[in-house]
Amino acid sequence: EIVMTQSPATLSASPGERATLSCRASQSLGSTLAWYQQKPGQAPRLLIYGASTRAPDIPARFSGSGSGTEFSLTISSLQSEDFAVYYCQQYINWPRTFGQGTKVDLK
Amino acid sequence: EVQLVESGGGLVKPGGSLRLSCAASGFPFSGYTLSWVRQAPGKGPEWVASISSDSAFIYYVDSVKGRFTVSRDNAKNSLHLQMDSLRAEDTAVFYCARDRHSGTFIGLLEFWGQGSLVTVSS
Repeated sequence: EIVMTQSPATLSASPGERATLSCRASQSLGSTLAWYQQKPGQAPRLLIYGASTRAPDIPARFSGSGSGTEFSLTISSLQSEDFAVYYCQQYINWPRTFGQGTKVDLK
Repeated sequence: EVQLVESGGGLVKPGGSLRLSCAASGFPFSGYTLSWVRQAPGKGPEWVASISSDSAFIYYVDSVKGRFTVSRDNAKNSLHLQMDSLRAEDTAVFYCARDRHSGTFIGLLEFWGQGSLVTVSS
């Protein structure tokens, strides 16, 4: 099983700031890495797939990068609606696995 | 508009059974892989199972193998998860989710239902 490790666990930031979240895989994924956003009481929402491709209707302030075992999600200028928990997920091997999440909260 | 609506959750005793269903609409159901993902209280998502568009391919996470069975009815646009021998650690919100791309078996989850809570407790 591929283990996904996200850091930091919590990121405190202010609106307008840049936020960078990290995700590391225990083995190479190529580019088969997705990012999801989850708000309280809601299902996860697909943001990024293929490590860097935005899903439909996702704002351009969200960008993904990386390949192999090291990946990052950057929010260029945090908006109030971006304060949420973010998860990475690999989809190269079964079982599909998620990271434990990074919570982006208000400083 | 893609819609996935789960039903069938509830309170069940350890060792009991429950059958979840997911009613789908707004897309060509028979063309897409579907998955179940669960999320225990305060935890991250955990992928549970995926079933290909024609049911030819099915995968489960190890912790549910032999206890859970995923199936689909393409004529009725429905997905099911039969859960037997339930344990306290199965307590979670269960989501059904649809793959991003048709005709593939990937487990890249673009559309999600609202979830159905399963509580296993005596």
